[in-house]
Amino acid sequence: DIVLTQSPGTLSLSPGERATLSCRASQSVTSSYLAWYQQKPGQAPRLLIYGASSRASGIPDRFSGSGSGTDFTLTISRLEPEDFAVYFCHQYSSSPRTFGQGTKVEIK
Amino acid sequence: EVQLVQSGAEVKKPGESLKISCKGSEYSFTTYWIGWVRQMPGKGLEWMGIIYPDDSDTRYSPSFQGQVTISADKSISTAYLQWSSLKASDTAIYYCARSRAGISGTPVDYWGQGTLVTVSS
Repeated sequence: DIVLTQSPGTLSLSPGERATLSCRASQSVTSSYLAWYQQKPGQAPRLLIYGASSRASGIPDRFSGSGSGTDFTLTISRLEPEDFAVYFCHQYSSSPRTFGQGTKVEIK
Repeated sequence: EVQLVQSGAEVKKPGESLKISCKGSEYSFTTYWIGWVRQMPGKGLEWMGIIYPDDSDTRYSPSFQGQVTISADKSISTAYLQWSSLKASDTAIYYCARSRAGISGTPVDYWGQGTLVTVSS
């Protein structure tokens, strides 16, 4: 199985700051089949990024994804109040699909 | 808007059976796969398996093969996850999730709200 390790576990930032989240895979994620999701308490996860760098429909352009192979990054250029949440990555290149353990972005 | 609506929280005793559901709406239910994902308390997400409702083609993650049964009833746009004999270690939130592909190639694009299953004597 491909193990996805996210860092940091928690990111404490203020609104307006830049957030950089990392997702590292234990082996190469072929075709950059990596997605990022946002989850708020009591809500279903929301797809933000797929194919490592493509924004899902309706996602603001302050969210961007990059990377390939084993190293991937989600960047939130300027944090809005509604962006404080848990973010997790997901590889869908090989079976079984796997997920990172999540990064919590909290208000400093 | 696409919705996956899951059944409500359950409290069960060890050894009991359980079937939880996930109803899709506002899209063609038979043209997308529905997967199930487990989140144990304080832990990350684990892929359990996936089903294509049109023909009930089902693929299980090796860790969950034989532990649960995934099924679907396309006539009512609903997928199911069931246990024949629950264990305390089955306590978790279970999410259903939609994908265009079964094994790989397309991401999960919509998720259900989750069903909390608590197994305790």
